[in-house]
Amino acid sequence: RKEVEQDPGPFNVPEGATVAFNCTYSNSASQSFFWYRQDCRKEPKLLMSVYSSGNEDGRFTAQLNRASQYISLLIRDSKLSDSATYLCVVSRSTSGTYKYIFGTGTRLKVLA
Amino acid sequence: DTEVTQTPKHLVMGMTNKKSLKCEQHMGHRAMYWYKQKAKKPPELMFVYSYEKLSINESVPSRFSPECPNSSLLNLHLHALQPEDSALYLCASSQFSGTPSSTDTQYFGPGTRLTVL
Repeated sequence: RKEVEQDPGPFNVPEGATVAFNCTYSNSASQSFFWYRQDCRKEPKLLMSVYSSGNEDGRFTAQLNRASQYISLLIRDSKLSDSATYLCVVSRSTSGTYKYIFGTGTRLKVLA
Repeated sequence: DTEVTQTPKHLVMGMTNKKSLKCEQHMGHRAMYWYKQKAKKPPELMFVYSYEKLSINESVPSRFSPECPNSSLLNLHLHALQPEDSALYLCASSQFSGTPSSTDTQYFGPGTRLTVL
């Protein structure tokens, strides 16, 4: 079992739709949580950090449930430009440093 | 400025060549990372340097040799690579403030796309 699991998709949604991605992690020592976005043949870019109280940035809302070891990302009013792969990332201390563990990514395609 | 730079952008090399990938950041980050990414897969951790010391080597073959000359620079020396080593090589850095927090974000460079013939 992978340490961070995501549904790989693809999720094909029409413009304007609301779409939700889920992510589970297995290591209870995980300390920080992030969503990254990666466009084809580009580097991952931080979309948002995820806080225990939940947080929102415009059309994007992230939630963290530490008890269930579950992270979610909600995208409202999807735009064509939201088409990308969304990577769930958790970090934890190990070997005197931090390790960032990536989920497999969820592919989103927003259709006109 | 949250920029991580990597050179070269593209590299084609033969199996007997020796080449190096370079990464630089000027954010004062004390942790730097090398990842390998194949198409349609997530980044796969190779090495982590913290305070210029190698902290993690994820059982990477010795044909990949990392080097951290100073806190801003990270190199990856390549020698006798195989065609299956063709991939996007990503460098990243993070602040490494003491305990992981939501502010310890990793920032990625644009990557070097490596082709081994």
